[in-house]
Amino acid sequence: DAGVIQSPRHEVTEMGQEVTLRCKPISGHDYLFWYRQTMMRGLELLIYFNNNVPIDDSGMPEDRFSAKMPNASFSTLKIQPSEPRDSAVYFCASNPSSGRQGEAFFGQGTRLTVV
Amino acid sequence: QQQVKQSPQSLIVQKGGIPIINCAYENTAFDYFPWYQQFPGKGPALLIAIRPDVSEKKEGRFTISFNKSAKQFSLHIMDSQPGDSATYFCAASMNRDDKIIFGKGTRLHILP
Repeated sequence: DAGVIQSPRHEVTEMGQEVTLRCKPISGHDYLFWYRQTMMRGLELLIYFNNNVPIDDSGMPEDRFSAKMPNASFSTLKIQPSEPRDSAVYFCASNPSSGRQGEAFFGQGTRLTVV
Repeated sequence: QQQVKQSPQSLIVQKGGIPIINCAYENTAFDYFPWYQQFPGKGPALLIAIRPDVSEKKEGRFTISFNKSAKQFSLHIMDSQPGDSATYFCAASMNRDDKIIFGKGTRLHILP
């Protein structure tokens, strides 16, 4: 298996523009997580899905952020409009089932820079 | 209550030394405590994990010590090597909701 695949790897955008980050989880994994990593705040959980349904989005910073999972093999995280403080590395991770609790397989991340 | 507090923020150890990274939690509903290792430019990867019904778990050179009454756990790396230089995250999860809460990470550098 190729693992969790994220695209793009790097994104530079201007403040106010819409940004869409993409994730393909490992086939057969029921859970999908979006995390944001910064030096100041570490790894923050933004939202997670179980069987394509959002379970907990309490970590989404504000209404500018939205996430979707239209099917088991694809998820997006959208920021509209983007702001410089959104600059971070965004990770997608997947987990096979509740039987593998706490075991997340991470993608390589998308480094977002908003100028 | 949902936080996992990790220290130190950074650590420099001579090759062969034993770096120790500490974590503490408040929520007693947490029932699974994994550690993740992250190399530059990569995503975190599961290293080792423990449940609160045991006080120690060892896998190779990596050992988790767990103190349930103090709500603390720590990672020890025996005979540390320069290749162990990475960022280490402790984490906690609970079976009822499967989300994983991470500490802020420790940047470890092993001197050759």
